[in-house]
Amino acid sequence: ETAVFQTPNYHVTQVGNEVSFNCKQTLGHDTMYWYKQDSKKLLKIMFSYNNKQLIVNETVPRRFSPQSSDKAHLNLRIKSVEPEDSAVYLCASRDWGASAETLYFGSGTRLTVL
Amino acid sequence: GDSVTQTEGPVTVSESESLIINCTYSATSIAYPNLFWYVRYPGEGLQLLLKVITAGQKGSSRGFEATYNKETTSFHLQKASVQESDSAVYYCALGEAGSFNKLTFGAGTRLAVCP
Repeated sequence: ETAVFQTPNYHVTQVGNEVSFNCKQTLGHDTMYWYKQDSKKLLKIMFSYNNKQLIVNETVPRRFSPQSSDKAHLNLRIKSVEPEDSAVYLCASRDWGASAETLYFGSGTRLTVL
Repeated sequence: GDSVTQTEGPVTVSESESLIINCTYSATSIAYPNLFWYVRYPGEGLQLLLKVITAGQKGSSRGFEATYNKETTSFHLQKASVQESDSAVYYCALGEAGSFNKLTFGAGTRLAVCP
């Protein structure tokens, strides 16, 4: 059962354009994440938000900026995309501080930069 | 940094055969990592298959098993008899205890089970 929704599923754009990806979770979780899956299929954490507050910001280029309007939403904006941004971006959520032991992932947004 | 290396896919096995997907890890920033296996079935998002937080312990789910071996830094995934419905991509991962703020995944292993 899908509970983390990402849009769009795919996006193709040109170098220099701005893109924005949306993520919404209906699980009532407090913490959300963005991961990037690169061409080698490795998943790397990019950002983590807890109750709209940024708590983890890995070393990502400044053109990436997360945006959270409430704890159920965490969007990702990329200003001026570059070819190396081509990847699958995965959103996830978890329940902060509870006994919950798992992340719930969305199905991903595949970005292709031409 | 932390890293996870797993069997390079695709792996193809016949139904009812046994399976092992190797996973080794290197945890340089986490003293006592938790180890995970995640699975992505076709058309679905990643989901947790099993997790082990203590070295020497074994986790199991849906017929799959994995033992946390700190000496060999391994967390191999095994199943005695696979089914066609096990066809998916399997990811080994390590993370901080009690947190997903430093979660490192392997590259994934695509498994195809033939009827």
